[in-house]
Amino acid sequence: NAGVTQTPKFRVLKTGQSMTLLCAQDMNHEYMYWYRQDPGMGLRLIHYSVGEGTTAKGEVPDGYNVSRLKKQNFLLGLESAAPSQTSVYFCASSPDDRGYGYTFGSGTRLTVV
Amino acid sequence: KQEVTQIPAALSVPEGENLVLNCSFTDSAIYNLQWFRQDPGKGLTSLLLIQSSQREQTSGRLNASLDKSSGRSTLYIAASQPGDSATYLCAPGGTYKYIFGTGTRLKVLA
Repeated sequence: NAGVTQTPKFRVLKTGQSMTLLCAQDMNHEYMYWYRQDPGMGLRLIHYSVGEGTTAKGEVPDGYNVSRLKKQNFLLGLESAAPSQTSVYFCASSPDDRGYGYTFGSGTRLTVV
Repeated sequence: KQEVTQIPAALSVPEGENLVLNCSFTDSAIYNLQWFRQDPGKGLTSLLLIQSSQREQTSGRLNASLDKSSGRSTLYIAASQPGDSATYLCAPGGTYKYIFGTGTRLKVLA
């Protein structure tokens, strides 16, 4: 029972490079989320999806794009990485909007130099 | 804008003590509130979810209370154990979207 799997776990990018973070869940959850966690800031919602083919902006969406072409996958893209995007990124999923079953992945540590 | 404050930021206690972790939030128009646990280098695990209509929720040695009108929640940990060492995050929410506090980092000494 894998739950939520994030790849890669670690990545170092140079300023201006692009990359895609992959989140995969095997629980048939409808809702998926991308958060970033920075020291002293708590987790902040970047983008989220309420079902296959849907995406919406969260609290800090600038500089990121997302896609949910398949129900089990939620991709987070950085088109032109900046040092301010150095962070730990967490993906999460939930079965519905009631909050129960909220499941997080183990995170991706991204450093932009 | 919802702001979440958790006190204390860090706590170190001997094994066996009963603990209270505090969370306050500025916007009382919440749907529910969750307490999460985060271990170093790991993701978050949901511990307890309290609906806005509930006053408290219990799971084993954990008890969480909610006073929505005053914007406060507490997490009570009974008979703490070294395995409880982790960061505990409070997250009031509107349906599926949550605003997270910065957490209380707990260390339980054997």
